Amino acid sequence: GAVVSQHPSRVICKSGTSVKIECRSLDFQATTMFWYRQFPKQSLMLMATSNEGSKATYEQGVEKDKFLINHASLTLSTLTVTSAHPEDSSFYICSATLLTRSSYEQYFGPGTRLTVT
Amino acid sequence: GDSVTQMEGPVTLSEEAFLTINCTYTATGYPSLFWYVQYPGEGLQLLLKATKADDKGSNKGFEATYRKETTSFHLEKGSVQVSDSAVYFCARSIGGTSYGKLTFGQGTILTVHP
Repeated sequence: GAVVSQHPSRVICKSGTSVKIECRSLDFQATTMFWYRQFPKQSLMLMATSNEGSKATYEQGVEKDKFLINHASLTLSTLTVTSAHPEDSSFYICSATLLTRSSYEQYFGPGTRLTVT
Repeated sequence: GDSVTQMEGPVTLSEEAFLTINCTYTATGYPSLFWYVQYPGEGLQLLLKATKADDKGSNKGFEATYRKETTSFHLEKGSVQVSDSAVYFCARSIGGTSYGKLTFGQGTILTVHP
């Protein structure tokens, strides 16, 4: 089946620094990827839609200048958390859309645990 | 707006017990409905889906039927195993399409004891 990877799986950074998280579709091309944030024991919250070759679409309440998304190719989207603060600590998950003949299928990455100290 | 309400957990069962996890959705548009499973330390995996009313999704012994009249998509399994221990998420497509954009329920932690 289709595989989506994320790198790094865990990252610890100091407050005020920036962190980049990569999401790759390993064996298929994805024109659309999504970024989610998952708080402990809570559901996934959609942050933004990443479209290859165009600007990301952010959900209401998500700061686009803080969470920079770049979808540079059909297999790679990156999320950069700029000037990170402890409240940005969370589990970030991406998904990639695989277009099939009759529908779209979503494949999720394993997630990235961000801890800001 | 589009939302999903899921049975709160955690749910603790003995092996071979019957499982039901309730899920209801807001009836806007014609959504596709999904159950995802997240095993410890792993990403979400699609467990099953249904794209229209009365469809039944099934996989690995799990089943869920798209009930438009009750706006529900309850997950069931007749005999759970220890390996079924995971977090289960109900989800619906946003905007009435199956394009890929999803809204999730809050997740239900299932623990199965031997």
